[in-house]
Amino acid sequence: AQSVAQPEDQVNVAEGNPLTVKCTYSVSGNPYLFWYVQYPNRGLQFLLKYITGDNLVKGSYGFEAEFNKSQTSFHLKKPSALVSDSALYFCAVRGPTSGTYKYIFGTGTRLKVLA
Amino acid sequence: EAEVAQSPRYKITEKSQAVAFWCDPISGHATLYWYRQILGQGPELLVQFQDESVVDDSQLPKDRFSAERLKGVDSTLKIQPAELGDSAMYLCASSLESGISYEQYFGPGTRLTVT
Repeated sequence: AQSVAQPEDQVNVAEGNPLTVKCTYSVSGNPYLFWYVQYPNRGLQFLLKYITGDNLVKGSYGFEAEFNKSQTSFHLKKPSALVSDSALYFCAVRGPTSGTYKYIFGTGTRLKVLA
Repeated sequence: EAEVAQSPRYKITEKSQAVAFWCDPISGHATLYWYRQILGQGPELLVQFQDESVVDDSQLPKDRFSAERLKGVDSTLKIQPAELGDSAMYLCASSLESGISYEQYFGPGTRLTVT
């Protein structure tokens, strides 16, 4: 069965410091992995994805994520956090097989960047 | 930039009443999703369409919820009768689901309050 875990409910980081939001997954075969961000009272916005290729993927707003197959992880990172990055972040996993996959979202991690 | 449209943005209804939500996906996106999101939690898939066909409705409470996408474009989600526990954000998303484009694009959501 597919699953995705975000072990931290909240991450606090000082502005200007690097940030990491953790995600681990379980899926049969090669996964498709995604990060989404949700600002207050808004829908989710797509940040970045890993489908195939280079394990380090870059996305919107300076975010990047590294796919690690051996550790089944896809952690979200940013070299220098901004106060405006404060939001709810969701990791999602999708199995690769069309017609038999499920798109599963994690429980979310609230990122708080302190000025 | 193309967006997923949803209406209404907010809905207050009394329990036992009927309520309906509408979604218009990004043009050309064959896959459409309806999610329910409790505040601070991850989205829960209710139903997934591929064109006009239901791909997955395993989490849809079929005794009171129904969804349709008659012409494979816009979609309606209905609840009848509404219960207090249905109060949540209802999100619609669409995706291309081809090539490397598997990310979902979300609408602003409909916040439902059942009194």
